Amino acid sequence: QVHLVQPGAEVRTPGASVKVSCKASGYTFSDYYIHWVRQAPGEGLEWLGWINPNSAVTNYAQKFQGRVTMTRDTSIGTAYVELSRLRSDDTAIYYCARDPSQIWQLVSGSFDYWGQGTLITVSS
Amino acid sequence: QSVLTQPPSVSGAPGQRVTISCTGSSSNIGAGSDVHWYQQLPGTAPKAVIYGNTNRPSGVPDRFSGSKSGTSASLVITGLQAEDEADYHCQSYDRSLSGWVFGGGTKLTVL
Repeated sequence: QVHLVQPGAEVRTPGASVKVSCKASGYTFSDYYIHWVRQAPGEGLEWLGWINPNSAVTNYAQKFQGRVTMTRDTSIGTAYVELSRLRSDDTAIYYCARDPSQIWQLVSGSFDYWGQGTLITVSS
Repeated sequence: QSVLTQPPSVSGAPGQRVTISCTGSSSNIGAGSDVHWYQQLPGTAPKAVIYGNTNRPSGVPDRFSGSKSGTSASLVITGLQAEDEADYHCQSYDRSLSGWVFGGGTKLTVL
């Protein structure tokens, strides 16, 4: 069965960076796109971007360009998102999610499996 | 301010039917972009209940259905059950933003 496992929580100060991991199992990691989505406390969902784990090609939401970096390590089946110049309004749960489209298809933008989320708290 | 607009809350009694709307624009739903719906139980990650406007993932009861018309989409839940109480989020692709956008979420209360 497919699993996406994320760490529970991290705390950072304003201006710092954070890198969140997402370890995949139960399928061929390189064959499916991975997206990152966040949810601020009491708010809706917000899409950050996707990565093609096979080619490392990325596509970021306009809002986060210049501040977000998505990478992967295929040897351990893990995707990462790094957000820099953190602000208090970056406090949120960050989820990784798998796209059901395989990498030789167009990204569908729907998400069939989700990680449990990583709470990132930005506070001085 | 979400790009897609959903009502903050809806409610219904067990066994009833509820509809959750998702209103977009000519940049997203009206441009032909697919709409996806997610259910989020308290303290958990979202789970897909409808993808590609009308399709149900395996394991989702047929009480859940989706539709799309013009610049709007709807999620309908029939035969409401207590376990359906959750937040529901719609999602679509926005051509102006070149990325996926969500509604603000709708809290469904089963009375």
